[in-house]
Amino acid sequence: KAGVTQTPRYLIKTRGQQVTLSCSPISGHRSVSWYQQTPGQGLQFLFEYFSETQRNKGNFPGRFSGRQFSNSRSEMNVSTLELGDSALYLCASSLPGGPNTEAFFGQGTRLTVV
Amino acid sequence: QKEVEQDPGPLSVPEGAIVSLNCTYSNSAFQYFMWYRQYSRKGPELLMYTYSSGNKEDGRFTAQVDKSSKYISLFIRDSQPSDSATYLCATDTGRRALTFGSGTRLQVQP
Repeated sequence: KAGVTQTPRYLIKTRGQQVTLSCSPISGHRSVSWYQQTPGQGLQFLFEYFSETQRNKGNFPGRFSGRQFSNSRSEMNVSTLELGDSALYLCASSLPGGPNTEAFFGQGTRLTVV
Repeated sequence: QKEVEQDPGPLSVPEGAIVSLNCTYSNSAFQYFMWYRQYSRKGPELLMYTYSSGNKEDGRFTAQVDKSSKYISLFIRDSQPSDSATYLCATDTGRRALTFGSGTRLQVQP
């Protein structure tokens, strides 16, 4: 069974640019969550999507946005990039049934802002 | 104060030792508790998942949750050099918005 796939694996962008990251969940998983991991702040929740709707959102500025498609694939967008946005961005998928939140992570996209 | 506190380590043990990793949390609404293992430059890998208080065992790994004291533990028996990684505890209220500890770096010496 294929795991969570994130593309691209590595990305270098310049301050002020925008970036789009992609996540394909495990087959059958309809909930997709995004996290930011930095050495200083650790792993922090960005947002969660289910059935193309954002259900939960973490404490991040509006420059961070996302969406989910009908096939459960998700994209995350960061506009007007800042140096502090350099991080490993992780996507996790889980089954939709009940409150079970067993989440499986992808390998992440390492974003470097210069 | 962070909602989930975890000693960052590093923790160095000899091969074959029993490893104890711990977290404390402050939010009584947390009901789901997880342990992830993360190797360098990789995504977190789910090791253990438990609901509410109690123990759960899977091979060499045992997870314990004590909701009365808000304490989460992971025990690794017969530790191996391949267990060297960062271990992250995570909690959730059921909203699929995981709150993570800062992670403990573990080094198992051959």
